Parts: sequence; C-alpha cells; structure tokens
Amino acid sequence: EVQLVESGGGLVQPGRSLRLSCAASGFTFDDYAMHWVRQAPGKGLEWVSGISWNSGSIGYADSVKGRFTISRDNAKNSLYLQMNSLRAEDMALYYCAKGDGGYYGSGPFDPWGQGTLVTVSS
Amino acid sequence: QPVLTQPPSSSASPGESARLTCTLPSDINVGSYNIYWYQQKPGSPPRYLLYYYSDSDKGQGSGVPSRFSGSKDASANTGILLISGLQSEDEADYYCMIWPSNAGVFGGGTKLTVL
Repeated sequence: EVQLVESGGGLVQPGRSLRLSCAASGFTFDDYAMHWVRQAPGKGLEWVSGISWNSGSIGYADSVKGRFTISRDNAKNSLYLQMNSLRAEDMALYYCAKGDGGYYGSGPFDPWGQGTLVTVSS
Repeated sequence: QPVLTQPPSSSASPGESARLTCTLPSDINVGSYNIYWYQQKPGSPPRYLLYYYSDSDKGQGSGVPSRFSGSKDASANTGILLISGLQSEDEADYYCMIWPSNAGVFGGGTKLTVL
C-alpha cells in the first residue's frame, strides 16, 4: 500500500523559513515524480511544485517561485519543500502527492498524503 | 497561470445524474489537454477520480466506480465530470486540473450537494 506521510508543519512568523518533509513507502520511490499541493483554510487546491524522478526536472507555481525549493532524496524515499520568506498567503495544508511516471509535468496526483499544516502569523 | 472556472455549487437528488463543468480560458483549447478530476470530502485529502482526453484516451482511478465518467464539450471549451446514479456518499468537493506549460492548474472546485 502506498503511504505518504508529511511532517514539518507548524507556526512560523512572516519572513521566516520552514522545511517540510514527506516520507514515502509502498512503491519504488525513485521511479516516480512527486509533488506538493496546498490548500488554504476553506479554499481550493493549488499546485505548488513538482520534481521528476531524478531531480532533473523541477517546476514551481508562480506564487512560490524564488522562495520555495523542492528536493528529494531517493536513498531515503523522501521528498522535501524548503519554504523561505514565508507570507501570510502561504498559510495552508500542504499535501505531498505521488505523480504518474517519472516526469513531473503530466499525469494525475495519486495518492495524496494527509497533509501538514503551515500557519504563518506573527 | 490560467484559471479554470468551475461553478461553486451544484445539487442533485439521489439516483439522478450530476454534470459538473470545468471551463478553460479561451486561449487554451480543451481538445489539447487531459482533464483530471479529483474528489475531496471534508477532513480528507483529495482522491483522484479519472482523466479524460477523448473517448479513446481516458482512464479511471483505482477503485473508482464506472458511474463516474468524463467528457468534453469543445464548443464550450469545457471539461465535464458526469456522476450517474448519485449516492449520498458522492456529496463532496470536486476539482478539475490540467497541465499547461509544465505547471499544474486547478479549478476553484464545485461543492456537490446530494439532496
């Protein structure tokens, strides 16, 4: 069974940094692209970032470009999201999701983790 | 990034069909994209339902009942999720998504109420 478990969320002040992690199991991690998708409280879904199987291809939403960095460690079956210069509008539940195939820019997100909550407030 | 337009809400009765729409901006041709659909129930992460490109190129998520199906209306530049034989458990938020320019784009979501 595929499992994705996010961690690292919490309360952070505007302008500070936070690093999210996603531990994957139940599939061959280094065969698949991975993604971060977020959902602000009471709002819809927003794709944040995706990374190909070998980290050779990476993409970001315009809203986070230059502030967030996605990475992965295939030896540890883990996905990360380094979030710098956090803003109030970054406050959301951040989901880790498995891609379809090795390239990040296509296919569905399936499955999703339970999410980790990031709260940005002074 | 483009905006996919979904009606905020829709409702139908048990046993009826629900037709949820996802309209692409005029500069993006619905015929050129896979339309992905997700279901989200309160307190749960989204669940992948299906994708639709054409009648010969479509796919169902694992364990998703066949009463969930996709289509397109090219004249309206719209992707469609059809749910037949509605059940109370289908009450949820539904999101469409496409991949233009290597960036995933979601619609704003439709809250489906099963009356």
